[in-house]
Parts: sequence; structure tokens; C-alpha cells
Amino acid sequence: GENVEQHPSTLSVQEGDSAVIKCTYSDSASNYFPWYKQELGKRPQLIIDIRSNVGEKKDQRIAVTLNKTAKHFSLHITETQPEDSAVYFCAATIYMEYGNKLVFGAGTILRVKS
Amino acid sequence: GAGVSQSPRYKVAKRGQDVALRCDPISGHVSLFWYQQALGQGPEFLTYFQNEAQLDKSGLPSDRFFAERPEGSVSTLKIQRTQQEDSAVYLCASSLGRLAGGTNEQYFGPGTRLTVT
Repeated sequence: GENVEQHPSTLSVQEGDSAVIKCTYSDSASNYFPWYKQELGKRPQLIIDIRSNVGEKKDQRIAVTLNKTAKHFSLHITETQPEDSAVYFCAATIYMEYGNKLVFGAGTILRVKS
Repeated sequence: GAGVSQSPRYKVAKRGQDVALRCDPISGHVSLFWYQQALGQGPEFLTYFQNEAQLDKSGLPSDRFFAERPEGSVSTLKIQRTQQEDSAVYLCASSLGRLAGGTNEQYFGPGTRLTVT
């Protein structure tokens, strides 16, 4: 089955700096890669996702890149703000029409220092 | 409209007790997922329903875990004879699905934190 590894486990950056979180996956059949943000005690929320037919996707300060050959994908947050502080989870799955059984990484605690 | 809701939000059970956790998905959502999230870890898949059909239960850790969604909306996750290792947050998620005219984005509930003493 699929296995997702995520690094680093914690990341501290200064406000305004960029943050990069990296994930690798094992199943070459996986073709859908969402990223979730989870604030303390709250539910995970989707912030961006990418399908394997594209190499990069951007949404304002957030971007995700995918390297299918190397089986890794990364989350990039630019101009970080204190409200970006949270736990970020990557996930991988095989895209299905009705829903995706997500395999999550262990998470990255991002702290943005002001 | 309301998002995914779960109840109870917190549950303390003595070892050996049975518990039932409820999930109310977003109305009309076809797919429903249960995940288990241990402290400091990412959610781990337990089971998946498409309407009332349980299509995948490969993540259920033992036969003490049982899930149902009899009418294709509300779902219940039942854990029999709880053990300390069952302590975790149980998350429910639902998605409309592309074939139903939506997307596959999973909307998560707030979770039920289960503590087995």
C-alpha cells in the first residue's frame, strides 16, 4: 500500500520568510496530492491540491510542486504570517470519482515567529 | 450550510466499555470516510462508505471496530470492548464526488476525542 513520508517534523521561520515542506510517496499509481492545514484542536482543512497531470499549482502565497519521477511533492508558503502557524499534512491517493482514501504524512508543525 | 458534525466531541470510556461515535456529513454528500488520528500523527484511514455501501474497511484495526451508514447519511463508528490503544481523535470526512456534480474535496468534522482509561 501507499506510504507517505513528510519532512521536516517541525519548522520555525521568521515572519515574511518562506517555508517549504516536503513529502515523498511510495505508490507510483498515486495521482492526487492534497495538503491540509490543522490548527490546534480544530479540523483539517484543505488548502491546496494537485493532480499528477500538472507539475505545479499556485494559489496566492501557497504553491505545490510535484515530481512524479522522483515521487515527491512539496508545499511552498511565501511571505509567511503568524496565522500560518499550524500543523500541515500532505497526503497521497489514487483519484477516484466519488472520493479518495487519503494516506497522510505525519505532519509538520510550522511556527511563524513575529 | 452546516459542515460535517460529530458527536460527542469528547468521550471518556473505561477499558472494556463499548462506545458509539456519530458523524453527520454534509447533506447530499455521497462519500463518507472515517479516520483515526493518534496524538502527533496524521489521520489514518479506517473505512469508506459510498452512500450506504461500505466499500472499504481495510483500515479497521480489529474486529472490535464496526461502522455503519444504513440510510446513506448519518454514520456511526462503534468500538467494542475499548482498549487503551484505541485512545485517539476519530475524524469523519465527507465529499460530494465528481460524478455527483461536485469535487472530491474531503470536508472534515471536528473529531471525537476518545480517551480510554
